[in-house]
Amino acid sequence: QKEVEQDPGPLSVPEGAIVSLNCTYSNSAFQYFMWYRQYSRKGPELLMYTYSSGNKEDGRFTAQVDKSSKYISLFIRDSQPSDSATYLCAMRPLSGYSTLTFGKGTMLLVSP
Amino acid sequence: GAVVSQHPSWVICKSGTSVKIECRSLDFQATTMFWYRQFPKQSLMLMATSNEGSKATYEQGVEKDKFLINHASLTLSTLTVTSAHPEDSSFYICSARDGQGTSPLHFGNGTRLTVT
Repeated sequence: QKEVEQDPGPLSVPEGAIVSLNCTYSNSAFQYFMWYRQYSRKGPELLMYTYSSGNKEDGRFTAQVDKSSKYISLFIRDSQPSDSATYLCAMRPLSGYSTLTFGKGTMLLVSP
Repeated sequence: GAVVSQHPSWVICKSGTSVKIECRSLDFQATTMFWYRQFPKQSLMLMATSNEGSKATYEQGVEKDKFLINHASLTLSTLTVTSAHPEDSSFYICSARDGQGTSPLHFGNGTRLTVT
């Protein structure tokens, strides 16, 4: 079993839809959870950064972490065509960034 | 916000030549930078951790003599792919943290290397 599992998609939705992106993981030591957005041929851009379990909201984006289920989610409200990108989850334990583990990314396509 | 600049954004080189990629933190100092490689539709894989003023730490399976890393200042790290081969063609991305402790990683825009 891979440490971080993420459905590669593509996930296609119409403009205005609520999008749910998810990752599961197996390492119970993970404490910090991140979501990055990556446009084609660009580096990842940090969207959300959370510690331990709970919810965090930033504009149209909400990140949820359920450590008991080893499951994290990113919700995008009122999705826009400009949200079309690959979304990567990443997580790490307390020990540092050399142990940061990424999912493979989910490609999201928002059609006008 | 923290900005990481990477140059060049793309490069094509012939097999056997060397290529240098630069990574700069523009508005903060980074004692540590990280170099990743990403193949199409794959996740980012850490290659090495670059430490200012000391030797880089390489991940298992990454040849340190092939991927030379130099972190000569608090704002610049370089990755040199020596004697490049077609299998080295990939997307190379650097990253750095603004601050210590729990601050998140910020990434450069990556360098697409094609070796012919």
